[in-house]
Amino acid sequence: KAGVTQTPRYLIKTRGQQVTLSCSPISGHRSVSWYQQTPGQGLQFLFEYFSETQRNKGNFPGRFSGRQFSNSRSEMNVSTLELGDSALYLCASSLGGEGTEAFFGQGTRLTVV
Amino acid sequence: SQQGEEDPQALSIQEGENATMNCSYKTSINNLQWYRQNSGRGLVHLILIRSNEREKHSGRLRVTLDTSKKSSSLLITASRAADTASYFCATPGDGGSNYKLTFGKGTLLTVNP
Repeated sequence: KAGVTQTPRYLIKTRGQQVTLSCSPISGHRSVSWYQQTPGQGLQFLFEYFSETQRNKGNFPGRFSGRQFSNSRSEMNVSTLELGDSALYLCASSLGGEGTEAFFGQGTRLTVV
Repeated sequence: SQQGEEDPQALSIQEGENATMNCSYKTSINNLQWYRQNSGRGLVHLILIRSNEREKHSGRLRVTLDTSKKSSSLLITASRAADTASYFCATPGDGGSNYKLTFGKGTLLTVNP
């Protein structure tokens, strides 16, 4: 069974640009969550999608958005990039029910210069 | 505020020794998960323990959960250099949802050959 796949693995962007990250969940998983990891703030929840609907949202500005497609693949977009958006972005997939394990991808390392 | 807090923040041991990491959390939970992260990479799911379980084993891993003390521990027996990584506990978000996990800052384990 293939794991969670995130693309690209690495990105370098300039301040003010926008970026789109992709996540393909484990086959059969309908829930995809996104997390940001930085040395200072640790792992923080961004948002979660289930069956193409955003179910949960963390405490991030509106520059961070996402969507989910009918095949459960998800994309995350960050507009007007700031230096502080440099981070490892991780997505996790799960079946979506309460108490089910969440499996993570390898992450996308975003560097904003 | 962090729901899960790991202790210690860093742990250095010799190969073959056992490593114990602790996690404390604040609110009632219905399950708790442990993850491993090798430097700058994705999170690897280790184990999920439910609130009605006191102890769970997986290979060289032993996890305990004490809901009365709101704490969990992860024991790695006969450690290997390959176990060097950061270890995180994660607790569910609102309503027990595992798609909105809250992570602690992690324990950095170094196993010296």
